[in-house]
Amino acid sequence: DTGVSQDPRHKITKRGQNVTFRCDPISEHNRLYWYRQTLGQGPEFLTYFQNEAQLEKSRLLSDRFSAERPKGSFSTLEIQRTEQGDSAMYLCASSLETGGLTEAFFGQGTRLTVV
Amino acid sequence: GENVEQHPSTLSVQEGDSAVIKCTYSDSASNYFPWYKQELGKRPQLIIDIRSNVGEKKDQRIAVTLNKTAKHFSLHITETQPEDSAVYFCAASKGSNYQLIWGAGTKLIIKP
Repeated sequence: DTGVSQDPRHKITKRGQNVTFRCDPISEHNRLYWYRQTLGQGPEFLTYFQNEAQLEKSRLLSDRFSAERPKGSFSTLEIQRTEQGDSAMYLCASSLETGGLTEAFFGQGTRLTVV
Repeated sequence: GENVEQHPSTLSVQEGDSAVIKCTYSDSASNYFPWYKQELGKRPQLIIDIRSNVGEKKDQRIAVTLNKTAKHFSLHITETQPEDSAVYFCAASKGSNYQLIWGAGTKLIIKP
């Protein structure tokens, strides 16, 4: 499968625990995005990377959230001290930006449930 | 900031009929308008997009229209089929995917 892959697909955690998700973008894509999607809503932008540089962070991304893309390939999203309100689908997408608009391809998402 | 409103939230049509989903946006600087289809438990997938220098775009049974003056764009699906059942999202951007602002989605139900 040469698409965007995310791991794990599902995560159940107790409130207060830390969780980390991984995203592997399409190999030649230089942009990587994280979105959060709650039931019945469209995805909400969290952050994005151009290669290894994190260029934008949404106000939705509190201090408990951190994302990295150390070598410009895969990315991780960590949530510390999880809260029930963090329960959502976390989507990763990637695109190849060459100066023009290009399609972002989405992964299957990681569904987080905080109990 | 940009706000995208999408209507209706649920749309039920008879198989073979047409379906129309409408979106409005607030930021007149927005210039890219994609539509995504998301089946239950699956990833969003781009089905069609339109840029602000074009008023209409068609791809087989799917078409999108854009009215920049009214800040309004619509998705039209003709000859609907059962596999068209899904949630459809519109979005707007000022030129880069990271600024993609999404509508709340429309659940399209195709009745046999």
